[in-house]
Amino acid sequence: DSGVTQTPKHLITATGQRVTLRCSPRSGDLSVYWYQQSLDQGLQFLIQYYNGEERAKGNILERFSAQQFPDLHSELNLSSLELGDSALYFCASSLRQGQNTGELFFGEGSRLTVL
Amino acid sequence: DQQVKQNSPSLSVQEGRISILNCDYTNSMFDYFLWYKKYPAEGPTFLISISSIKDKNEDGRFTVFLNKSAKHLSLHIVPSQPGDSAVYFCAAGSSGGSNYKLTFGKGTLLTVNP
Repeated sequence: DSGVTQTPKHLITATGQRVTLRCSPRSGDLSVYWYQQSLDQGLQFLIQYYNGEERAKGNILERFSAQQFPDLHSELNLSSLELGDSALYFCASSLRQGQNTGELFFGEGSRLTVL
Repeated sequence: DQQVKQNSPSLSVQEGRISILNCDYTNSMFDYFLWYKKYPAEGPTFLISISSIKDKNEDGRFTVFLNKSAKHLSLHIVPSQPGDSAVYFCAAGSSGGSNYKLTFGKGTLLTVNP
């Protein structure tokens, strides 16, 4: 158990819809990262928050947005969903903005299926 | 543009033998590297890391080798055990600046046969 909690674990929705994925980081961790894993793809970095502020952006679509709340949990909002958005979405956390070893602690992921 | 490449999608070895997983990178700014292991229906878990100031890091049965001139790293598992069967992701990061996001490879599925 990494200590990172993601909900929901599974989500099935239709094209054009909007969903929200939620992540609670490990106790004490200030940084939250979102990654997307599509079929046959590695983990694609989407976005990072540190103590409520956006710190880094990766290949995140304009239809996607995220935020980190004062209690440090984070939400990833996916809107106008397309079939290609079907993927595993992982949240990870780390203590500082960046650690010397770069180690991230991952949740179990939220599997999104868009029909 | 794939900055971290794991060219072998899968690898199969016998229990007790050595498993060697390879990873290549293109970005010269990467200065630390990590291996993560992922079982089905679980998130990736950190396995071992190495900084660019070293060329080898060992932790029990797991050793990571870094060849900076070749921009190549490898993970050796000796001896391999059936419980090592999982997808292994290579990841790289740059400690310069304020953002420590990791770039991951596509993963290699390791199967250790009893």
